[in-house]
Order: sequence, then structure tokens, then C-alpha cells
Amino acid sequence: QQQVKQSPQSLIVQKGGISIINCAYENTAFDYFPWYQQFPGKGPALLIAIRPDVSEKKEGRFTISFNKSAKQFSLHIMDSQPGDSATYFCAASLSGTYKYIFGTGTRLKVLA
Amino acid sequence: EAQVTQNPRYLITVTGKKLTVTCSQNMNHEYMSWYRQDPGLGLRQIYYSMNVEVTDKGDVPEGYKVSRKEKRNFPLILESPSPNQTSLYFCASSATAFAGGPGELFFGEGSRLTVL
Repeated sequence: QQQVKQSPQSLIVQKGGISIINCAYENTAFDYFPWYQQFPGKGPALLIAIRPDVSEKKEGRFTISFNKSAKQFSLHIMDSQPGDSATYFCAASLSGTYKYIFGTGTRLKVLA
Repeated sequence: EAQVTQNPRYLITVTGKKLTVTCSQNMNHEYMSWYRQDPGLGLRQIYYSMNVEVTDKGDVPEGYKVSRKEKRNFPLILESPSPNQTSLYFCASSATAFAGGPGELFFGEGSRLTVL
């Protein structure tokens, strides 16, 4: 019930294409859903996050879509660029518990 | 510059030789946490701390110890390292967000540990 399942494990996209990464969770009490981006040799950094009271959040080329009834959320990267090549982690957090659960990661490669 | 600093960045050690990985943050964050990153398993939480002298187990605490004597420091201690603790370790900190939970996590650059 504490897991966050992420797919795909790896993704190759042409420059200018759309990258889509999906995550599913089981615990309906989760109330914070961030996405982190990690470049090789670096720590993860927050990319974008959403709370369950909204169904979509957009920041530049990055969009989170949130489906509360299906217990799923996804990251869409529009107009993907080679500089977006990185590993992406979804996560879920539950206020008051201080627990932060991460997905297993998606390695994205954008071809020039 | 706001940052989370881990040391050492790389370490090769032998089974049973006690080691400490230090973590320090300069953002006055209450929440700090340790994660290990392994291929195919993502980031798994080892221990976390809500504030000074307050710590709790994450999902994979076996073989690790932590302490939080000062707000800025949160060292990870491996009393008797074993080869299955070979991993990439990350320390993270966060200001407590709404309703007492952590919001954005700020990560260090990682410590790659190899136990022979």
C-alpha cells in the first residue's frame, strides 16, 4: 500500500516529441505528488509537483496530469530536448507521516 | 549558496570496518533524510529526522544508524558494513510544509560506497 509503481523503466524519444512517464499509487491518503529529475553524477532535483485537489499542473514544457479515481499521475514533457535526457522519479508523500515514497525511476534519452 | 553537502563522495571499504557518511545543510531545514539508490529499485528511504533528537526508520533501516544532535547535521553510520550495502547514498533536507509533512526535498550530490 506504500508503493509507487513507475513505468516505463526507460524511454527513447526523438527531439521535439512528447515524453510520457506514468506512476500509480495505492494509498489514497497520499497528498503530495512530486516529480524529480536527476542528471548523471548529481542528486535529484524537484521538477514539478501537484496536490490531489487539482487534475493538472503545467510549468513550461512540463505537465503533471493527475487522476484521483484511478490513483495515477503522469509527467508529460512537450517538445522534448536532448537536454531533458535524465532519470525521472515520481514520488508520493503523506502529510504528518514524514514518509516520502519514490518510484523506481525512468531513464529518458532524447535523440537529437 | 543553499546546499546539502555530503562527505565522502566516494569510498571503498572492507566488510566490518565502521564508517560514517556526513551530511550538512545550510538552509535551516527541520526535516532531513537518507536514501539509497540502487538500479531498478529507485530511491529507498533509510532513516529520516523531523528535527533535532527526533529520528525514525524509513523502509530499509537495517544495518544503519543515524543521529541528529544539531539541526544542520545528519550523519549516516554503518557500524559493520556488508557488501549488500554497496550503493549510492543521498542525503536530503526539506522545510516542513503544510500539515507537518516535507515538501520539496533538496538533495546532496551523493556518496558512492563500495563494500568489499
